[in-house]
Amino acid sequence: DAGVTQSPTHLIKTRGQQVTLRCSPISGHKSVSWYQQVLGQGPQFIFQYYEKEERGRGNFPDRFSARQFPNYSSELNVNALLLGDSALYLCASSLTVNEQFFGPGTRLTVL
Amino acid sequence: KQEVTQIPAALSVPEGENLVLNCSFTDSAIYNLQWFRQDPGKGLTSLLLIQSSQREQTSGRLNASLDKSSGRSTLYIAASQPGDSATYLCAVKETSGSRLTFGEGTQLTVNP
Repeated sequence: DAGVTQSPTHLIKTRGQQVTLRCSPISGHKSVSWYQQVLGQGPQFIFQYYEKEERGRGNFPDRFSARQFPNYSSELNVNALLLGDSALYLCASSLTVNEQFFGPGTRLTVL
Repeated sequence: KQEVTQIPAALSVPEGENLVLNCSFTDSAIYNLQWFRQDPGKGLTSLLLIQSSQREQTSGRLNASLDKSSGRSTLYIAASQPGDSATYLCAVKETSGSRLTFGEGTQLTVNP
């Protein structure tokens, strides 16, 4: 079975632009979470979606938004990009409230 | 607010050595604790998951222990190999939600 997949792998944007990152969970997993990992730090929680509803939100500005589709895939949108948004964005899926499985991440560079 | 700390931040050891990585958390009301491995620029690979009711979990050369009352977990790696070189992250899941709170990781280098 395929693991969590994310696209694109790498992305370069300029300040002020908007970006959309995509995630497909493991088949059968209904929960998707998004994390931001700045270089040299641990991942920080952004959002969690379960059954297409937002179930948790981290301490991120309103420029960050997400949604989950009927097939449980998810998109993370970031508007008005800042240099500080440069990071590895990780998606995780889970079947239950237990173990989370992470994808390979999308490396976003904002110039 | 839950805070997770990992000590040491970096560790360099010769091949074959047994080693211990430490993780501490401030709020003992956790649901579980998970140890991950991360290779440079890559995603996270789950190594071990310990439920709050458990004391330890083992997988191959890895053993993780949990002392919830004192807010500590350790990851023991036996007979380290150069392929173990990576950043090791611990994360706690709180009972009140589904988010994971991560430490900043321990960067391990195992020298041949």
